Amino acid sequence: EDKVVQSPLSLVVHEGDTVTLNCSYEVTNFRSLLWYKQEKKAPTFLFMLTSSGIEKKSGRLSSILDKKELFSILNITATQTGDSAIYLCAVHERPTSTKKLTFGTGTRLTIIP
Amino acid sequence: DAGVIQSPRHEVTEMGQEVTLRCKPISGHNSLFWYRQTMMRGLELLIYFNNNVPIDDSGMPEDRFSAKMPNASFSTLKIQPSEPRDSAVYFCASSWRANTEASEQFFGPGTRLTVL
Repeated sequence: EDKVVQSPLSLVVHEGDTVTLNCSYEVTNFRSLLWYKQEKKAPTFLFMLTSSGIEKKSGRLSSILDKKELFSILNITATQTGDSAIYLCAVHERPTSTKKLTFGTGTRLTIIP
Repeated sequence: DAGVIQSPRHEVTEMGQEVTLRCKPISGHNSLFWYRQTMMRGLELLIYFNNNVPIDDSGMPEDRFSAKMPNASFSTLKIQPSEPRDSAVYFCASSWRANTEASEQFFGPGTRLTVL
């Protein structure tokens, strides 16, 4: 059965620290991997990764995909209390016409002031 | 754009009652997804529609769950009869399929369902 596994499940760090969140996947016909941030309400989109080795960056957040080893990491530098959230990883399979996303259970990140 | 709209935002009902959740996707999007999120199981896809047609309902837990999409701007998820284990946050999401490229899904604010 296809699955997406995130680690750690929970992480508590001090403001200013750098964190790395992990997502590994086992899916047939991989197409893309997406990262979402979920605070108190709905998930909001962060990144979509389709090619290995190409880093995507947005401010203090960055992410990269390794299609050979079947994982992705999400890095957050100089963390702030506003980064506290659940970070979800999801994988999109071919064919894209199905549009089905398989989500991991998420990493709960807590930033202590 | 107002984004994906869901109603109600909160629903508290008694076991055995019928519950109907509603969703209006982003205008112009051609795919709609219903998810359920719990602490134990995380975010689970229940069913999704492409151009108003149900494509995959393998995530629907039981026959008590049903979903419809009568037109491109409206979908419902119905639970009848409801049970306490159905308590969860139900999200609706929509996306646009551009040729063969994958695209992000935009989530609504969710409906928090509590079945007593």
